[in-house]
Amino acid sequence: DAGVTQSPTHLIKTRGQQVTLRCSPKSGHDTVSWYQQALGQGPQFIFQYYEEEERQRGNFPDRFSGHQFPNYSSELNVNALLLGDSALYLCASSAPTSGRYQETQYFGPGTRLLVL
Amino acid sequence: DAKTTQPPSMDCAEGRAANLPCNHSTISGNEYVYWYRQIHSQGPQYIIHGLKNNETNEMASLIITEDRKSSTLILPHATLRDTAVYYCIVRALYNYGQNFVFGPGTRLSVLP
Repeated sequence: DAGVTQSPTHLIKTRGQQVTLRCSPKSGHDTVSWYQQALGQGPQFIFQYYEEEERQRGNFPDRFSGHQFPNYSSELNVNALLLGDSALYLCASSAPTSGRYQETQYFGPGTRLLVL
Repeated sequence: DAKTTQPPSMDCAEGRAANLPCNHSTISGNEYVYWYRQIHSQGPQYIIHGLKNNETNEMASLIITEDRKSSTLILPHATLRDTAVYYCIVRALYNYGQNFVFGPGTRLSVLP
């Protein structure tokens, strides 16, 4: 059973460019959350997608947008990249169905983005 | 802001039990205590969670005080591979759309 997968693993962009990161959730999961983790800090919540809709959003500007597809996979898009967007971007999936482990989030390995 | 307080770092000898404390004095009745760990440059890994009873799985044990204001994660026989940052998080289980708020965590170093 594959866990959460993310692509690419590493990415280098320049300021002002746009980037798209991809995530496939764990089998059986239908909810995807995205986090940003700057060096030396804990992950910070960006937004969550469920049923192809953004359900909640953290304190991130509109330059950060996302999408969820019918197969539950998701994309994170960042426009007009800034140097400060350099970080590890994490995707987490969960399955809000009945059961004790409802809503426990399982994280992927992340995509490391470097903005020059 | 994170609702938990953890020591920034701890050391543990290989083969000994690692006991990682967490204070969550403002925890609500419907909030669970979750533990994740993050090995260098990898995604956080789920360890365990609990409400008020002690919990144990193949990775660790979670001891929650009777007043639920603090908890301890126990790794019974720490190995070098347990060196990681450990995050203690409180979160309502049925709180759709409310996501995990990570603090700085505890950096555990398992020493040979």
